[in-house]
Formats: sequence, C-alpha cells, structure tokens
Amino acid sequence: EDQVTQSPEALRLQEGESSSLNCSYTVSGLRGLFWYRQDPGKGPEFLFTLYSAGEEKEKERLKATLTKKESFLHITAPKPEDSATYLCAVQATFSGSARQLTFGSGTQLTVLP
Amino acid sequence: DSGVTQTPKHLITATGQRVTLRCSPRSGDLSVYWYQQSLDQGLQFLIQYYNGEERAKGNILERFSAQQFPDLHSELNLSSLELGDSALYFCASSAGHRTVGDEQYFGPGTRLTVT
Repeated sequence: EDQVTQSPEALRLQEGESSSLNCSYTVSGLRGLFWYRQDPGKGPEFLFTLYSAGEEKEKERLKATLTKKESFLHITAPKPEDSATYLCAVQATFSGSARQLTFGSGTQLTVLP
Repeated sequence: DSGVTQTPKHLITATGQRVTLRCSPRSGDLSVYWYQQSLDQGLQFLIQYYNGEERAKGNILERFSAQQFPDLHSELNLSSLELGDSALYFCASSAGHRTVGDEQYFGPGTRLTVT
C-alpha cells in the first residue's frame, strides 16, 4: 500500500526565515510526486511534479527536490502570503489510465510578519 | 482559477437523504477524479473516470456512486447519508492519457454537511 508521511505537521516562521518541509513516501513504483498548496476551504492548487531522483523544480520562493525515498519543499525568505497547508502526493506506476493520487496529511505553514 | 467547476458550493441535508454533486472538468481533460477531505482522514481518493469509463476505485463506500457523461462532466451520488459523510468533496481533472505532465487540477469543492 502506498504511503505518504509529511513533517512537520505545523510550522511557524518569521517573514524571511527560510525552512524546508519533508515528504517521505513508500510506493511500489513511482510515476510522479506532486506538491500542492491548499488555502482553508479551497481546493488544492498544483505547484510541482517531480518524476525522478535528483530532479529539482523552482517557482518563486519555492523549490522542490526529490530523492528515492523523500521530497523536500524548500521555502526561501517566505512572506505572509505563503501561509497555507502544503500537501505532498504520490502517483504509482499503474497500468492503463489509472492515475489516482495518495496524499499525505500536509504541513500547515504560518508565516508571521 | 483551475478551470474545474463544481456545484453546489455548499449542501446541508439530513441523515438518510441522497444528494448529487456535479463536476465539469477543464476543457480538453478526459479524466475526472473524486476525492473526499475530512478533518480526521485528510484527502482520500474515491474514484476515477476516463472518457466515460471507470478506471480506478479507492475507498468509496457502496452507498456512493459516480458516473461520467458523454460531455465529460461527472456526478457523484451519495445516498443513505450519515453524519460521518460530512466533508469537503473535491473533483479534479487531468488530460488522463499522458505518461508525464498529467497533473490533476482541483475544483473549489462542495462542502457537505449532514445533520
């Protein structure tokens, strides 16, 4: 069974204080690892997809990296508007067009001004 | 705006009742996914349809069913509702046929409250 564990559950940062969120996963075969941002009461917003170990992707203050067992979401000089829950999900290598995601429980990030 | 639309935004109903949630995917996407998000369970995959056919099933209760219509919109039917069914229900869509770049884009969700 595919499993995704995110840590920490919650993180409070001062504006400008860089940090990293962790996503550990076990999956029979990894098709892709996805990062989403979710604001309260809203749908998850797609951020990144990573496909193979060593891959990195960046978007503004966010940078996602992938190893064979975990992924990190690095947040550089965060701003209050980066406050949200960050979700990690894996998509296993299925045959055909089955594409479901298995999500972690998320890291709730609060950035204080 | 992801391009995925869901109706209604909010739904309040009583135990034992039946409701239908509706989802329209992004233009060009063939796959539709339904997820349930509750406080204690997080985001859980329910079911996937691809071009009208069921492709994958998760922890979906027998009281729940879904279908995807020829115009690719999808409906999730929840029957014999229980208090524990109260949750946010999200629809997502993706192209559905790519090996890479098949990201899922989520709608705004339907908040279901069962009283």
